[in-house]
Amino acid sequence: KAGVTQTPRYLIKTRGQQVTLSCSPISGHRSVSWYQQTPGQGLQFLFEYFSETQRNKGNFPGRFSGRQFSNSRSEMNVSTLELGDSALYLCASSLTRVGTQYFGPGTRLLVL
Amino acid sequence: GIQVEQSPPDLILQEGANSTLRCNFSDSVNNLQWFHQNPWGQLINLFYIPSGTKQNGRLSATTVATERYSLLYISSSQTTDSGVYFCAVETSYDKVIFGPGTSLSVIP
Repeated sequence: KAGVTQTPRYLIKTRGQQVTLSCSPISGHRSVSWYQQTPGQGLQFLFEYFSETQRNKGNFPGRFSGRQFSNSRSEMNVSTLELGDSALYLCASSLTRVGTQYFGPGTRLLVL
Repeated sequence: GIQVEQSPPDLILQEGANSTLRCNFSDSVNNLQWFHQNPWGQLINLFYIPSGTKQNGRLSATTVATERYSLLYISSSQTTDSGVYFCAVETSYDKVIFGPGTSLSVIP
């Protein structure tokens, strides 16, 4: 069974731009969660989607948004990029809302 | 929200040595997981262990939910065990909250 895939793997943007990251969960998994990892703040929860609905949201500004499609694939969008948005963005999927999470390889975003 | 602490923050081991990593949490949890993040950033699930003890090869984990801690044991460590070990908890109010991690270096 294929694992969680994330695209792109690496991305360089400039301040003020926007970016869209994609996550394809393991087949059959309906829950997708997004996390941001930075050296200063560690791993932080962004949001969770289940059955195309946002079920939970972390403490991030409205510039961070996401969505989930009917095939459970998910995208997250960051608008008006700031230098502090440089991070590794990780996506995880699980079969249900409660259970083992499986992580993708992440997207490394650098904002210049 | 819930606080998650891990100790030690850093650990250096000689290959073949054993170690114990600890995760303390400040409130009741529904779930607890241990992850290993390799040097390339990939997070790998090690254990899903809200309570009790599990073993997988050289690794084992114990969670004592009533006392709000979990332990990860690594026996006969290998250089491939190097990386950062995170525990992550989930409560009724908070989605997954990660601890700060334990950075492990296993030297030959």
